[in-house]
Amino acid sequence: QQQVKQSPQSLIVQKGGIPIINCAYENTAFDYFPWYQQFPGKGPALLIAIRPDVSEKKEGRFTISFNKSAKQFSLHIMDSQPGDSATYFCAASRYAGNQFYFGTGTSLTVIP
Amino acid sequence: ETGVTQSPTHLIKTRGQQVTLRCSSQSGHNTVSWYQQALGQGPQFIFQYYREEENGRGNFPPRFSGLQFPNYSSELNVNALELDDSALYLCASRPDRGQETQYFGPGTRLLVL
Repeated sequence: QQQVKQSPQSLIVQKGGIPIINCAYENTAFDYFPWYQQFPGKGPALLIAIRPDVSEKKEGRFTISFNKSAKQFSLHIMDSQPGDSATYFCAASRYAGNQFYFGTGTSLTVIP
Repeated sequence: ETGVTQSPTHLIKTRGQQVTLRCSSQSGHNTVSWYQQALGQGPQFIFQYYREEENGRGNFPPRFSGLQFPNYSSELNVNALELDDSALYLCASRPDRGQETQYFGPGTRLLVL
């Protein structure tokens, strides 16, 4: 059973556009929600993370929106650039938990 | 760079063989997790080691086993390889099991024929 469901599977936007990637979870015990960026041939790298006590978090051009009641969270990339072309994964875990549950990934392509 | 290295980068094995994958964590990182990432999928948690003891395991059979050493290196061993074991194997380390930020290595791509 997929603990974290991610959509869309792939996304193509023009440079400057705002791609949005969505994730949903079922386990209300989750309280840490990171997003990872993965380039070909590399391991995932932490981009930004949020806890459920806030509804939004911004770091540079990346924003997480969190809806606790709907058990959904999303990643917005402002002013997207070709260098943002990568695969993005959402994940979830319990505080100090030892297991992270990842979504299936979204392949983002930003066209110059 | 995350400071986490893995070897080898690529490996080809045949069904039924055994394989050992290696990971070198950052100095001071007492926690290491291993993940299996099938093509087009997200990483799946295999297990975690903290101070040389396994302290968490995902839904993987016992033929997946591991070791963690005092010098911040670790191993993932897989016995009786199956075709479905073909994947990218990632290790991730963090200073302590209570810290969420984990640093991934580049992975080892295993192909089982």
